[in-house]
Amino acid sequence: DGGITQSPKYLFRKEGQNVTLSCEQNLNHDAMYWYRQDPGQGLRLIYYSQIVNDFQKGDIAEGYSVSREKKESFPLTVTSAQKNPTAFYLCASSSGQGAYQPQHFGDGTRLSIL
Amino acid sequence: AQSVTQLGSHVSVSEGALVLLRCNYSSSVPPYLFWYVQYPNQGLQLLLKYTTGATLVKGINGFEAEFKKSETSFHLTKPSAHMSDAAEYFCAVTPMNRDDKIIFGKGTRLHILP
Repeated sequence: DGGITQSPKYLFRKEGQNVTLSCEQNLNHDAMYWYRQDPGQGLRLIYYSQIVNDFQKGDIAEGYSVSREKKESFPLTVTSAQKNPTAFYLCASSSGQGAYQPQHFGDGTRLSIL
Repeated sequence: AQSVTQLGSHVSVSEGALVLLRCNYSSSVPPYLFWYVQYPNQGLQLLLKYTTGATLVKGINGFEAEFKKSETSFHLTKPSAHMSDAAEYFCAVTPMNRDDKIIFGKGTRLHILP
């Protein structure tokens, strides 16, 4: 079945450490997104990519970085500059480049600080 | 600019009772509108979407929503709640005919009382 796979499901970060969250899709979608979810805050867009080798900052990009070297993959790195990284991170994809296309979501990665 | 307001961060209904989750939006141009559902520790799933045409939209699991332009609303309803409907629900908006980001509301957690 086609879908989005996020790994790991749980991740722990030490102070000063960078960590990378994986997101892979086999839906042949052009667009991919990273969201951060905090309780009562809804979803906030971190980065998005509409095509390979191109990506744009979302509303809360500071302290995060991404790459899009392959259509299927959109990893997110949480850097040590992100001072409050504890959250639930969701990756999504959609066909085409318009935001009106419904987004398909992975099951998320929960990041905590040790 | 677009925005979404979901009235009530928590809503409780008895099993078998009507479910009504409220969503009001603000958009400078005609919108596309979505409802997504999120079960614990999972990603979001599309329940239904309004693009153009019929203003009453039917979705999965017996849910439906009505687009009311005059009230700038897109409330989600289900005639008879089931225990399995307990989840968090997100309303989302994006402008029609523009390549713009989707904006999510902060979510409403639905509790089903036995």
